[in-house]
Amino acid sequence: EVQLVQSGAEVKKPGESLKISCKGSGYMFTSYWIAWVRQMPGKGLEWMGSIYPGDSDIKYSPSFQGQVTISADKSTNTAYLQWSSLRASDTAMYYCARRILAYCTADGCLNTDHFDYWGQGTLVTVPS
Amino acid sequence: QSVLTQPPSASGTPGQRVTISCSGSSSNIGSYTVNWYQQVPGTAPKLLIYDNDQRPSGVPDRFSGSKSGTSASLAISGLQSEDEADYYCTTWDDSLNGPYVFGTGTKVTVL
Repeated sequence: EVQLVQSGAEVKKPGESLKISCKGSGYMFTSYWIAWVRQMPGKGLEWMGSIYPGDSDIKYSPSFQGQVTISADKSTNTAYLQWSSLRASDTAMYYCARRILAYCTADGCLNTDHFDYWGQGTLVTVPS
Repeated sequence: QSVLTQPPSASGTPGQRVTISCSGSSSNIGSYTVNWYQQVPGTAPKLLIYDNDQRPSGVPDRFSGSKSGTSASLAISGLQSEDEADYYCTTWDDSLNGPYVFGTGTKVTVL
């Protein structure tokens, strides 16, 4: 069974650093991109960036480039999202999701591009 | 601000049909397939429709998706109380907004 299990909720002060995690299991972790998605309180979903653990290729949304760092550890099947200096505006729920680029049926394999499994979310609170 | 526009809300009574639109442009919906996610309050998003009109295993067939030009739609037929949730369209985008964008989201209320 494919699972993405995220680290627990965090309460931090402005200026502090933070690294949250997303551990994959039930599949070959190095063969699928992992995306990070932000959801601010009462707001919609925002794609922050993605990493391919197989070779650590990383893509960032222009809105988040330079604001966060995405990384992965193949040895522990874990992806990370980190901040060097948190702000109150970083208060949000953060989700990781697995990106699938192909799937196979009885009729053959087809290209696709969507997030098929999601973590449960990590709530980050930075009181102002 | 998202480049994919959805109505903020939609509603219907049990059994009714509800349709949610997702409007984009040639740099996103016009060029790529569309996926839809359902987010029940307090839970993580869940894949509902992928590749414009495909349902993952376990998603009821009363959910259907379509795409035409630079717009996409999600239809819920036979609306049920458990369908009350937020719905988001997503796709790729070739502009500086990308590469991956979510719609503004639509809150579906079952009256």
